[in-house]
Amino acid sequence: EAQVTQNPRYLITVTGKKLTVTCSQNMNHEYMSWYRQDPGLGLRQIYYSMNVEVTDKGDVPEGYKVSRKEKRNFPLILESPSPNQTSLYFCASSRISGNTIYFGEGSWLTVV
Amino acid sequence: GQSLEQPSEVTAVEGAIVQINCTYQTSGFYGLSWYQQHDGGAPTFLSYNALDGLEETGRFSSFLSRSDSYGYLLLQELQMKDSASYFCAVGRDSSYKLIFGSGTRLLVRP
Repeated sequence: EAQVTQNPRYLITVTGKKLTVTCSQNMNHEYMSWYRQDPGLGLRQIYYSMNVEVTDKGDVPEGYKVSRKEKRNFPLILESPSPNQTSLYFCASSRISGNTIYFGEGSWLTVV
Repeated sequence: GQSLEQPSEVTAVEGAIVQINCTYQTSGFYGLSWYQQHDGGAPTFLSYNALDGLEETGRFSSFLSRSDSYGYLLLQELQMKDSASYFCAVGRDSSYKLIFGSGTRLLVRP
């Protein structure tokens, strides 16, 4: 089954404690991206990657890091989480030549 | 600046037709997409318009007018399961740098 898998799905953490949200896709997609969704603001793009070792900033990259060492994986790293990073996070992927973007199930992150 | 505007809420009756509008302001426009999201779920892709005109996919159609910076999603033969949030998104400089609208919550009544 074609899917984008995120982990963890739910996490409560404390300010300043580094965390990583993993994302993996099994569709051999070149493009992967991270979004955060906050009430009334829709989805905002954090980072995206066009292929292995190629990443670029989206609209809200501050406080986040990403890496793309393998085609299937695109982890989101919060080096020092703060309460304003409490949000619902979505990973997504698609083919470079396609317009259909597939989203993961989302990761609810709470920073206290 | 860059922005997308869509109505926050729309209510319609089962079996009816509803249109959700989206106006955008962005540099380097690169296509208009529509996504559906049920409460607690992930966004799912509905349609994409790169050129002016109407794209039809089953009960859903999407329209784009680049000269008016405007598009809409048309849902026909509404069903209860269509109750969800609908987001328009535009590609900025590429189809991969996406800006999303804040979403339209559609409520379908019996």
